[in-house]
Amino acid sequence: VIWMTQSPSLLSASTGDRVIISCRMSQGISSYLAWYQQKPGKAPELLIYAASTLQSGVPSRFSGSGSGTDFTLTISCLQSEDFATYYCQQYYSFPPTFGQGTKVEIK
Amino acid sequence: EVQLVESGGGLVQPGGSLRLSCAASGFTFSSYWMSWVRQAPGKGLEWVANIKQDGSEKYYVDSVKGRFTISRDNAKNSLYLQMNSLRAEDTAVYYCARAPPTIAAAGNTQFDYWGQGTLVTVSS
Repeated sequence: VIWMTQSPSLLSASTGDRVIISCRMSQGISSYLAWYQQKPGKAPELLIYAASTLQSGVPSRFSGSGSGTDFTLTISCLQSEDFATYYCQQYYSFPPTFGQGTKVEIK
Repeated sequence: EVQLVESGGGLVQPGGSLRLSCAASGFTFSSYWMSWVRQAPGKGLEWVANIKQDGSEKYYVDSVKGRFTISRDNAKNSLYLQMNSLRAEDTAVYYCARAPPTIAAAGNTQFDYWGQGTLVTVSS
């Protein structure tokens, strides 16, 4: 079983801030990691896959990096529509599993 | 435009059954692995089950094995989840999700499109 630790659980930020969310694995997963954004009452939306590949249609202010055990999602300039909960997902081992989520709230 | 529309959720007593459906459109349904992912109220995401393009392979999270059955009808562009022996801990929003083309074993990959979800509440 691969344990996933997302941090922080809650992040307070202002529009225009640079935001970094971390996802750490208990063992190496190469680059088999995805990031999702979920707004209240809505389905998750894929932002990034293969650790750093931006999904089509996702704004370039979102970026992902990392490999092995440590990964980050960066939002370079936080916009009002980016206040949401973000989840990482590993698909190196089966079944696929998700981090516990990071809620980005308005400071 | 890819669309996934779930239906069939509702209130059911513990030990009861429910069948969820997911109607797909805007893509060649028969070419994709499909999954069910659930989210308990106020909680995170949990993958539940997936099924190969032709239905020949099916996989489940341990907590639902023997109780849930995933199936598909490619002629109707539909995905299903038959849920039996439901428990309170099965209460969640259930999402239908598509996996992009992959050669990964068991279709293990990310999910590029999700439905809006259907709420299943197990309570007496």
